[in-house]
Amino acid sequence: EPEVTQTPSHQVTQMGQEVILRCVPISNHLYFYWYRQILGQKVEFLVSFYNNEISEKSEIFDDQFSVERPDGSNFTLKIRSTKLEDSAMYFCASSEAGWAGTGSYEQYFGPGTRLTVT
Amino acid sequence: DAKTTQPTSMDCAEGRAANLPCNHSTISGNEYVYWYRQIHSQGPQYIIHGLKNNETNEMASLIITEDRKSSTLILPHATLRDTAVYYCIVRVGNDMRFGAGTRLTVKP
Repeated sequence: EPEVTQTPSHQVTQMGQEVILRCVPISNHLYFYWYRQILGQKVEFLVSFYNNEISEKSEIFDDQFSVERPDGSNFTLKIRSTKLEDSAMYFCASSEAGWAGTGSYEQYFGPGTRLTVT
Repeated sequence: DAKTTQPTSMDCAEGRAANLPCNHSTISGNEYVYWYRQIHSQGPQYIIHGLKNNETNEMASLIITEDRKSSTLILPHATLRDTAVYYCIVRVGNDMRFGAGTRLTVKP
């Protein structure tokens, strides 16, 4: 069964450094997403991406964050100048299509990358 | 987006049906009800979704009331591996808004 994969599984970085989290979505999916979950808290939506551009983003997704699909398979989340409060699990997800008003498509999540900022 | 209300926690005996309720009294006509679960700190796992009609797949059944103000996820024969946090999400748009969910513990 196709899966979303994420690398690395655990990333440790120092405050102020930049990190790139990588995801390989399911191959025939067209919509991609990033979510995060701070330890003990809810899963929070960050951004959705379609056709090489951001389609929606939350208030969390500020200028510190950026996303990119550098090639036909990878989808990345870059966090610049990391802060202690960026420590969280970051989940990538993908779906076959996006919200269409008359139908919807489930999102499939990867196993996550645990980011620890020290 | 419509808000959902779920019990904080529930227990279920192994082999019995687990019935997880969700209230979404402010749901609007084009909002779907989705269920996901999260085992430990793994990525959320899709279970099932529906709009008006009851739905069944290999994992679970989803019963939506006629007025759509509440729904129930049914795991017909719960196993220890079904112990997880279960999220009921009312969705319109691409962002999934997760709440605190119900922590289901399946006991031997």
